[in-house]
Amino acid sequence: QVQLVQSGAEVKKPGASVKVSCKASGYIFTGYYMNWVRQAPGQGLEWMGRINPNSGGTNYAQKFQGRVTMTRDTSISTAYMELSGLRSDDTAVYYCARGTSYSFDNWGQGILVTVSS
Amino acid sequence: QSALTQPASVSGSPGQSITISCTGTSSDVGGYNYVSWYQQHPGKAPKLMIYEVSNRPSGVSNRFSGSKSGNTASLTISGLQAEDEADYYCSSYSSGSTWVFGGGTKLTVL
Repeated sequence: QVQLVQSGAEVKKPGASVKVSCKASGYIFTGYYMNWVRQAPGQGLEWMGRINPNSGGTNYAQKFQGRVTMTRDTSISTAYMELSGLRSDDTAVYYCARGTSYSFDNWGQGILVTVSS
Repeated sequence: QSALTQPASVSGSPGQSITISCTGTSSDVGGYNYVSWYQQHPGKAPKLMIYEVSNRPSGVSNRFSGSKSGNTASLTISGLQAEDEADYYCSSYSSGSTWVFGGGTKLTVL
């Protein structure tokens, strides 16, 4: 079965960077886009961008252009999302989600990233 | 990329039907048949309920159905059950290979 297992919670200071991971199993990693979606406390879902694990090509939401970098390591079926210049309003749960049929069919368990001085 | 517009809350009694709307623009909802819907219980990851406007993934109850007219998509849940109480989000593909979500709707089963 498809599984997306994300790394553990992070606490960062304002201005720092965070890099979170998402390890995929149960399917061919290079066959599906991997998306990143975040959810601030008590708020809705926000699409951040996606990576094509086969080519490494990316698409980012305009809001995050210049601050987000999505990469992958096909040898270990893992996708990464790095967000720089962290601010308090970046405090959120960050999800990876597999893309298929223009939707997101499998989700990781989420990683809480807390930005606090 | 503005968020799609959903009602903040809807409610219904067990056995009834409810509909959640999701309004966008011709650049997203109205321009593509790529609207999807997600159910999220508190503290859990979202779950795909509908994709490509009206298709149900394997394992999703046929009590859930989707439709679209112009720039507005809708999710209908028939035969409401207590376990349907959750937050629901719509999403649409948008121009430039990007996606946008709605603000979410809290469904209360009375």
